Amino acid sequence: GNSVTQMEGPVTLSEEAFLTINCTYTATGYPSLFWYVQYPGEGLQLLLKATKADDKGSNKGFEATYRKETTSFHLEKGSVQVSDSAVYFCALSDRKGGSEKLVFGKGTKLTVNP
Amino acid sequence: DAMVIQNPRYQVTQFGKPVTLSCSQTLNHNVMYWYQQKSSQAPKLLFHYYDKDFNNEADTPDNFQSRRPNTSFCFLDIRSPGLGDAAMYLCATSRGAVLAGVETQYFGPGTRLLVL
Repeated sequence: GNSVTQMEGPVTLSEEAFLTINCTYTATGYPSLFWYVQYPGEGLQLLLKATKADDKGSNKGFEATYRKETTSFHLEKGSVQVSDSAVYFCALSDRKGGSEKLVFGKGTKLTVNP
Repeated sequence: DAMVIQNPRYQVTQFGKPVTLSCSQTLNHNVMYWYQQKSSQAPKLLFHYYDKDFNNEADTPDNFQSRRPNTSFCFLDIRSPGLGDAAMYLCATSRGAVLAGVETQYFGPGTRLLVL
């Protein structure tokens, strides 16, 4: 079945450091790919998405490129802030009929220190 | 402004005592989902409704049921909660367009369930 593998956390960085969180996937066909963020005590928020190969999703300084050849969707940010501290989930879509099931990775906890 | 609303944010129940969690949406979306998220784990889909059609995941225990009386509301019923059911329960919605196009799921803030 479809699956998502994320790098194990936790990740601890200093403010303004460069961030990479690796994500690879296994899927039949060409799913859409997502990054969701979960701040402490809250639900998930969509951070960015990409729907086809070579698409780049971006939002709030975060970027991820859909790489079909390496089945990857790594999340990057050039300069992290303390407010970026959260858990980040990579996910792929598994469409069945008119609805879309999300398959999530296990999440990577990011802590950014001042 | 709220789009997907879950009440309450925290729910305490007793072992074996039925409990209902609620979700409402102002987006008029066709699809509503329920996820279970245990501590430090990925959200796991329990089931979803496409309009009135109920879609259960194969590994969702029978202890978990759901109702969707209208487009706006969806309920999660846990008939006999066990200690292992303590988790965050997330509701999400999506438009459910039949035509091609990526679907974005919009999540509520979640209800954290504690079983004593």
